[in-house]
Amino acid sequence: KAGVTQTPRYLIKTRGQQVTLSCSPISGHRSVSWYQQTPGQGLQFLFEYFSETQRNKGNFPGRFSGRQFSNSRSEMNVSTLELGDSALYLCASSQGQILNTGELFFGEGSRLTVL
Amino acid sequence: AQSVTQLDSHVSVSEGTPVLLRCNYSSSYSPSLFWYVQHPNKGLQLLLKYTSAATLVKGINGFEAEFKKSETSFHLTKPSAHMSDAAEYFCVVSVALWTNAGKSTFGDGTTLTVKP
Repeated sequence: KAGVTQTPRYLIKTRGQQVTLSCSPISGHRSVSWYQQTPGQGLQFLFEYFSETQRNKGNFPGRFSGRQFSNSRSEMNVSTLELGDSALYLCASSQGQILNTGELFFGEGSRLTVL
Repeated sequence: AQSVTQLDSHVSVSEGTPVLLRCNYSSSYSPSLFWYVQHPNKGLQLLLKYTSAATLVKGINGFEAEFKKSETSFHLTKPSAHMSDAAEYFCVVSVALWTNAGKSTFGDGTTLTVKP
């Protein structure tokens, strides 16, 4: 069974640009969540999608957005990039029980560098 | 509301000696608790989980953790450290509430160094 796949693995952008990151969950998983990881702030929850609906979101500005498609694949978008957006963005999928307290399966992340 | 505190940001042990990584949690409801490990430039991998069954939980690679409700703790232990255990470890809490659906709370992480 294939794991969680994130693309691209590495990317470099400049301030003001926008970026789209993609996440393909494990087959059969309906929940996808996104996290930002930085040395200063640690792991911070961005948002979670279940059956194409955003169920929960963290405390990030509106520049950070996401969506989920009918095949459970998810994308997140960051517009008007700032230097502080440089981070490892991790995607995690789970089987998607309604209350989702189950195990999270993580991808290897997309490392974004903003210059 | 839920929160988790990892009491040590860095732990250093010698190879072959025991490992103890400490985690305290706070939750108004019965939590599910997890430990994840992250090696450099990799995603997180589940070590073990507690979901209201046995309080002593055994995981992969010889790790185990004990859920102590009275102390609100979920410390991670291993009898004998191996060089390959050097990584960052995260304690995670999650609660089954509609308002909390899909949201897990992560600790700040503990970096484990293993000396030869």
